[in-house]
Amino acid sequence: NAGVTQTPKFQVLKTGQSMTLQCAQDMNHEYMSWYRQDPGMGLRLIHYSVGAGITDQGEVPNGYNVSRSTTEDFPLRLLSAAPSQTSVYFCASSNRPVTGELFFGEGSRLTVL
Amino acid sequence: AQSVTQLDSQVPVFEEAPVELRCNYSSSVSVYLFWYVQYPNQGLQLLLKYLSGSTLVKGINGFEAEFNKSQTSFHLRKPSVHISDTAEYFCAVSKAGANNLFFGTGTRLTVIP
Repeated sequence: NAGVTQTPKFQVLKTGQSMTLQCAQDMNHEYMSWYRQDPGMGLRLIHYSVGAGITDQGEVPNGYNVSRSTTEDFPLRLLSAAPSQTSVYFCASSNRPVTGELFFGEGSRLTVL
Repeated sequence: AQSVTQLDSQVPVFEEAPVELRCNYSSSVSVYLFWYVQYPNQGLQLLLKYLSGSTLVKGINGFEAEFNKSQTSFHLRKPSVHISDTAEYFCAVSKAGANNLFFGTGTRLTVIP
């Protein structure tokens, strides 16, 4: 009964460091996405994928890379972290992203010093 | 492009009182509308959604929302709130042919004993 699993839950980075936020789902959903949540700004879409091998940009893609080699996994990479990327990151998946339910992970809190 | 406006960032209300959380959307085409809830330190969960048909939609935990096309609104209501309803509530919109869901900035509901 895992659903959407995100790791790590907390991370502190220094400016310029790189890291990968992991996201895995066990519901065989084709659609997966990454959002960031910032106070007063709600959730903003970073990148999304409609299936293995297919990714596209959302509203705020700069500074982030993604890939989708399997249906289950959708990692988010920060190549050179900046303080502006301090945020809470949520991964979500769905079998019907437009009319159905998005299933969210519990979030990853990232602080960039 | 579609967008969502949540008019109140914070709503305090006494326990057992009614509450309305406001949401307005802008779109030139037909839309699908959602309300999600985020309890502290958790991911988002779907409360209810409007796709078509009856404009009054009932969701989980006693919440309901009414789609008003002429006023482009989708306000969330509950006749009597409980302490456990304290959370952040997000309105979201998508449309046919799109791939994604766009979220409002959120309304923090605080239920006062």
